[in-house]
Amino acid sequence: AQKVTQAQTEISVVEKEDVTLDCVYETRDTTYYLFWYKQPPSGELVFLIRRNSFDEQNEISGRYSWNFQKSTSSFNFTITASQVVDSAVYFCALSEDGTNAGKSTFGDGTTLTVKP
Amino acid sequence: NAGVMQNPRHLVRRRGQEARLRCSPMKGHSHVYWYRQLPEEGLKFMVYLQKENIIDESGMPKERFSAEFPKEGPSILRIQQVVRGDSAAYFCASSPGAGYNTFGSGTRLTVV
Repeated sequence: AQKVTQAQTEISVVEKEDVTLDCVYETRDTTYYLFWYKQPPSGELVFLIRRNSFDEQNEISGRYSWNFQKSTSSFNFTITASQVVDSAVYFCALSEDGTNAGKSTFGDGTTLTVKP
Repeated sequence: NAGVMQNPRHLVRRRGQEARLRCSPMKGHSHVYWYRQLPEEGLKFMVYLQKENIIDESGMPKERFSAEFPKEGPSILRIQQVVRGDSAAYFCASSPGAGYNTFGSGTRLTVV
């Protein structure tokens, strides 16, 4: 069975601080996908990134960066120089490959509050 | 290229009424997934459908809930005789069949 653990329930930082959101996953599949989503107070789910299990390259997109390490089954997300608009709930998710790729297992989310 | 369209965005029902939630997948996507997000929780998988077929309904409550994805038209998640515990956000995602999925904006159901 697949499982995603986001151990940090809530994080509070002051604007301009860097913050890392942790995600640890479990799966028996050799091919899988990992995702991060942002859910702002308005409630929609905003896609941030998708990585497949064969691509361990870290990725940077503006102030966002992701560190994927298969050896520790982790897919951590760092926001550099955080801003108030980053305040949201962030979800890490895992899905299988193939025709069941849309069946995702989500973590319970990390609520990030960025204070001015 | 429109994304996954869900309607209504907000739905209020009295206890005992029926709720119908609609999801139109992205163009070219024939796989639809429904998820439920209870207050203060993460998203939980409910059901996976392809056109006219339910593929996996392992996350669906055994009673009152049903889903369909007809040959023509949107996918429908139906909740009969709603109770207060059904109040949640219901998200739909669609996929072309492999590799990724795209989520809609969700329907927030409130049962009063």
